[in-house]
Formats: sequence, C-alpha cells, structure tokens
Amino acid sequence: QKEVEQDPGPLSVPEGAIVSLNCTYSNSAFQYFMWYRQYSRKGPELLMYTYSSGNKEDGRFTAQVDKSSKYISLFIRDSQPSDSATYLCAMITQGGSEKLVFGKGTKLTVNP
Amino acid sequence: DTGVSQDPRHKITKRGQNVTFRCDPISEHNRLYWYRQTLGQGPEFLTYFQNEAQLEKSRLLSDRFSAERPKGSFSTLEIQRTEQGDSAMYLCASSTGSANEQYFGPGTRLTVT
Repeated sequence: QKEVEQDPGPLSVPEGAIVSLNCTYSNSAFQYFMWYRQYSRKGPELLMYTYSSGNKEDGRFTAQVDKSSKYISLFIRDSQPSDSATYLCAMITQGGSEKLVFGKGTKLTVNP
Repeated sequence: DTGVSQDPRHKITKRGQNVTFRCDPISEHNRLYWYRQTLGQGPEFLTYFQNEAQLEKSRLLSDRFSAERPKGSFSTLEIQRTEQGDSAMYLCASSTGSANEQYFGPGTRLTVT
C-alpha cells in the first residue's frame, strides 16, 4: 500500500461546477497537507496547505483534513476552464523528514 | 521576484552519457530539494540541502546520481552513465524555513535514447 493514494481520474466537469478532489493516506505522522496544481509540462504550483485537522479557505478553494479518517479533500467552487490541470496532494511530517510525499495526481478538465 | 529556475528545460541524451542539471532557488531560500517525476506519477523525493549541507537522500538516489550545492545558492544534479529508466522530469524546489512551503521550478525533462 502506498503512503498516499489519489484517484488519477480523469475528472471532467462543466464550467461552474463544484469539484471535489480527495486523497487518503496511511502514515499517521503526517501533519501538513498540501495541494499543488500542475499544468501540462510545468512544475507544480503550491495552492494551499493545512496544518493538522480542519478547514482552510482561499478564494474559490477550500481544503479539508480529517485526520481521524486519514482523508483530505480540496473543493473548487465555480470551476473555470483555467482550472483544468492535474491536482496533486502532498504531505509531510513535522520535525522529521523534509520530503514531501505526493499522490499520483488527479487530472481535471473543466469544459466551457 | 523570480521563482525557481532550472536549466536546461529539455535534455536528450544517449544511454551511457553523463548529464548535469542546474537549479537556481528563490533568492534567500536556504532549503533546496530535488524530485523526480515520471509520467502519470507524483513527484518523488531525491535529496535535500540546507545551505550547502546535503541533509537527506532518498534510496532512489543511486550511486550514479550526485547532487551538490557548493556555496549554498544554486545546485547541480549529475547523472552518470544514464539509463533509459532515468527518463523523467527532474524538479527542483526551494523553501525558507518551512518544508511544507516548497516552491517548484519548471523542471528539466530528460529523455534517454
């Protein structure tokens, strides 16, 4: 079992839809949870991060972490064609290794 | 403010050749990371520097791979005797004090023929 599992999709939605992206993980030592957006043939771009459990909102994006279920989510409201990209979740422990552990990424297409 | 830059952006090489990639982190970022990403996968950690000290290495970093950050600024990643399995995107990231805020460069795409 991989440390971080993410459904690769692809996921296709109409413009304006609410998108839900999810990851599960097995390592209970993870404390920081990140979401990156990666356009084709580009480097990943940090969208937001959350420490421990709870919600965090940034514009149209909301990140949720449920440590009891080892489950994290990213919601995109009022999705736009420019949101079409691969979304990667990543996690890191606190005070230990500096490495980010990534999911495979979910490829999202928002259709106009 | 410039982001992380990497050079070259693309590299095609023949099996058995040596290649070297360069990464320039965001100014004043003292932490620098190398990752490798293959098609359809998330990035995988290779190594991490704090200033000029290499503090963490993955088992993925075989003896054919070497990374340096001699003056605590830019870094180089060298692959010796390249193999077809080395074909991937090599990503560099940097951060300042917070490993959870790693900012990535555009990557170097390596193709080994």
